[in-house]
Amino acid sequence: AQKVTQAQTEISVVEKEDVTLDCVYETRDTTYYLFWYKQPPSGELVFLIRRNSFDEQNEISGRYSWNFQKSTSSFNFTITASQVVDSAVYFCALSEADAGGTSYGKLTFGQGTILTVHP
Amino acid sequence: DSGVTQTPKHLITATGQRVTLRCSPRSGDLSVYWYQQSLDQGLQFLIQYYNGEERAKGNILERFSAQQFPDLHSELNLSSLELGDSALYFCASSAYGTGTGANVLTFGAGSRLTVL
Repeated sequence: AQKVTQAQTEISVVEKEDVTLDCVYETRDTTYYLFWYKQPPSGELVFLIRRNSFDEQNEISGRYSWNFQKSTSSFNFTITASQVVDSAVYFCALSEADAGGTSYGKLTFGQGTILTVHP
Repeated sequence: DSGVTQTPKHLITATGQRVTLRCSPRSGDLSVYWYQQSLDQGLQFLIQYYNGEERAKGNILERFSAQQFPDLHSELNLSSLELGDSALYFCASSAYGTGTGANVLTFGAGSRLTVL
């Protein structure tokens, strides 16, 4: 069975600090996909990134960066120079893939990390 | 606006009642998913439909049912409601099945159900 663990329930930082959100996953599959979603106070779920299990390159998008380490089954998310607008709940998720490498849409989510950025 | 439309946004009802949540997927997406977000269970996958057919099932209770219609909109029916069914119900859609590779779900804004 798949499992995603986000050990940090809540993180509080002051604006401009860097913050890393941890995600550890468990799966028996060799092909799988990892995702990060953001849930701002308004409640919707916003897609941030997906990574397949064969692509261990780190990715940077503006102030966001992701570190995927298959050896430790981790997919951590770092926000550099945090801003108040980054305050949200962040979810890490995992999905299986079919034989052709297409991700199934059935996501297993972690419990989420509540990030609060204070001005 | 994600392109996935869910109605109603809020719903308050009593135990034992039945409600229907509606979802219109993003234009061009053939697959619809239902997820439940509650305080104790977190975000859980309920069910997936692809082009009108059930494709995958998760932790969906027998009191709950769903369907996807020919115009691709979907409805989630919740019956014999209990207090514990109070949750935020998300619909998501994706282009799964059209050969687009990794399947990224686009979520709607959710329907918040309160059972009193």
